[in-house]
Amino acid sequence: VQLVESGGDLVKPGGSLRLSCTASGFLFETYSMNWVRQAPGKGLEWVSFITGSGGSVDIADPVKGRFTVSRDNAKNSLFLQMNTLTVDDTAIYYCARFDVETVALDIWGQGTMVTVSS
Amino acid sequence: QSALTQPASVSGSPGQSITISCTGTTNDVGSYDLVSWYQQQPGKAPRLLIYEVSERPAGVSHRFSGSKSANTASLTISGLQSDDEAHYYCTSYTTGKNFVLFGGGTRLTVL
Repeated sequence: VQLVESGGDLVKPGGSLRLSCTASGFLFETYSMNWVRQAPGKGLEWVSFITGSGGSVDIADPVKGRFTVSRDNAKNSLFLQMNTLTVDDTAIYYCARFDVETVALDIWGQGTMVTVSS
Repeated sequence: QSALTQPASVSGSPGQSITISCTGTTNDVGSYDLVSWYQQQPGKAPRLLIYEVSERPAGVSHRFSGSKSANTASLTISGLQSDDEAHYYCTSYTTGKNFVLFGGGTRLTVL
């Protein structure tokens, strides 16, 4: 059971980036997924949620209107489209599997670093 | 949405026990047995330690235990070891929300 994020990079303020998370070892389409981020030296911050079918999503207020979450179950992949990036979006972005019964993030990826700087 | 309240830091000596608190409200911790705890060792991704207040996933040491009273959940680590030195985060289900609410995190130092 594994999650592997990719797509992190250095980007200028106002720019865009698309993160990917590839799952393996479990039936991806049956699990809701989350993105969680961690700014340098700070705590964990929930970013987004998407159900297994992709039919229901939720986005944290600080990024609402700028970030979009989606998934491609045929490719066992989760995505985070990030637009109009600001320096405050600089963070490690983790994807995490969500167990809806226990409300726990039971599997985490290793994270991908997004740096927003001019 | 306010984060759950955790102490910024705790410390203990090898072999001792420590407890980290996580205080919420009647909208989250107080109303649901859906509190989880995560360990994040330096430079690593978080990992699930405890779910549903006191349940341990396979592979997690019995030295880690969880409990809850009213609006406060607690994580106890017994027989402290040097590699327990990490940040610990609590989360809880929140009424009517899809997302989990994170605590601010607690840094554990093993003296």
